[in-house]
Amino acid sequence: EAGVTQSPTHLIKTRGQQVTLRCSPISGHTSVYWYQQALGLGLQFLLWYDEGEERNRGNFPPRFSGRQFPNYSSELNVNALELEDSALYLCASSRLTGRSGNTIYFGEGSWLTVV
Amino acid sequence: AQSVSQHNHHVILSEAASLELGCNYSYGGTVNLFWYVQYPGQHLQLLLKYFSGDPLVKGIKGFEAEFIKSKFSFNLRKPSVQWSDTAEYFCAVNARSGGYNKLIFGAGTRLAVHP
Repeated sequence: EAGVTQSPTHLIKTRGQQVTLRCSPISGHTSVYWYQQALGLGLQFLLWYDEGEERNRGNFPPRFSGRQFPNYSSELNVNALELEDSALYLCASSRLTGRSGNTIYFGEGSWLTVV
Repeated sequence: AQSVSQHNHHVILSEAASLELGCNYSYGGTVNLFWYVQYPGQHLQLLLKYFSGDPLVKGIKGFEAEFIKSKFSFNLRKPSVQWSDTAEYFCAVNARSGGYNKLIFGAGTRLAVHP
């Protein structure tokens, strides 16, 4: 069974540009989560999508947005990139939604460097 | 607001030493608890999880964790660490809020094991 896959694995963008990161969940998983792992800041929850809808959002500005497609894959968009957006962006997926007992599984992440 | 605290940001041990990493959460309702591990250059992997039942949970690679509800704690232990346990460890709490689950991570603990 394939795990959570993310693309691209590495990218470099210039301040002010926009970036789109992509994630394919494990087959059968309907929930997709996005996390930011910046140096020294641990894992920060960004967004949670389930069944195509945004279910929850972390404490990030509106220039961080995303969506989930009918096939449950997801995109994370970041507009007007700032230097501090440089981080590893992790996507995760889980099978159960709105209930207790769901385990989430992580992809390998997309390394974003903003220069 | 829900939060997860990991007491130690950096831990250095010699091989065969015992390990205990602290994790406390702040949430009064039903929670599911997780420990994830991130080995150097690798993605996050699930180490162990607690949903219900026996509060002493055994995970992979000889790790275990004990859920103490009265202390809001879920400490990770291993009787004898190995050099290969060098990694970053994240405690996470999945709390139900408004009928939906939200996975909150602690800041992580970097463990370095010296031969």
